[in-house]
Amino acid sequence: QKEVEQNSGPLSVPEGAIASLNCTYSDRGSQSFFWYRQYSGKSPELIMSIYSNGDKEDGRFTAQLNKASQYVSLLIRDSQPSDSATYLCAVKRGSTLGRLYFGRGTQLTVWP
Amino acid sequence: GAVVSQHPSRVICKSGTSVKIECRSLDFQATTMFWYRQFPKQSLMLMATSNEGSKATYEQGVEKDKFLINHASLTLSTLTVTSAHPEDSSFYICSARPTNEKLFFGSGTQLSVL
Repeated sequence: QKEVEQNSGPLSVPEGAIASLNCTYSDRGSQSFFWYRQYSGKSPELIMSIYSNGDKEDGRFTAQLNKASQYVSLLIRDSQPSDSATYLCAVKRGSTLGRLYFGRGTQLTVWP
Repeated sequence: GAVVSQHPSRVICKSGTSVKIECRSLDFQATTMFWYRQFPKQSLMLMATSNEGSKATYEQGVEKDKFLINHASLTLSTLTVTSAHPEDSSFYICSARPTNEKLFFGSGTQLSVL
């Protein structure tokens, strides 16, 4: 079982729609979770971090965490073509922030 | 915001040669840096943790004699891929954190070994 699993997609939504990205993780003791956006050939860029159960909103992005179900999700409201990228779910390994387990990513395409 | 600079962005080399990749923290000191590798359509995989002034810590399955890491100053870590082979072709990315709150990634190095 992989440490972090994502629905690999690809996911395609029309402009203005809500894009929903999902992620599960295997280590029940994990405490810190991150969503990164990665454009092709570029390095990842942090979108959201979440540490507590529930929802966390930042602009058009909402991260949701359910530790009991070991599930993390990212919702993108009012999706724009510029949101088209691969979204990576990451879970912190142990206590060191830089040591992360990443999922394989979900490729999102937002079409106008 | 904090910036992590990585160089070169792309390198093509012949099989058997060594390649050095540099990672610099431009506006903060980083006692620890992290090296990741990403194969096409795969997830980022942590290779090693680079520690300033001491030996790097390698993840299971990563050959320390093949991937030499040097972190001689608080702003520079280098990864040397020794005797590179085609299977080492990958996207190598470094990262560092000015605080324990946010991790910044370098721009990555695409290595192609012929």
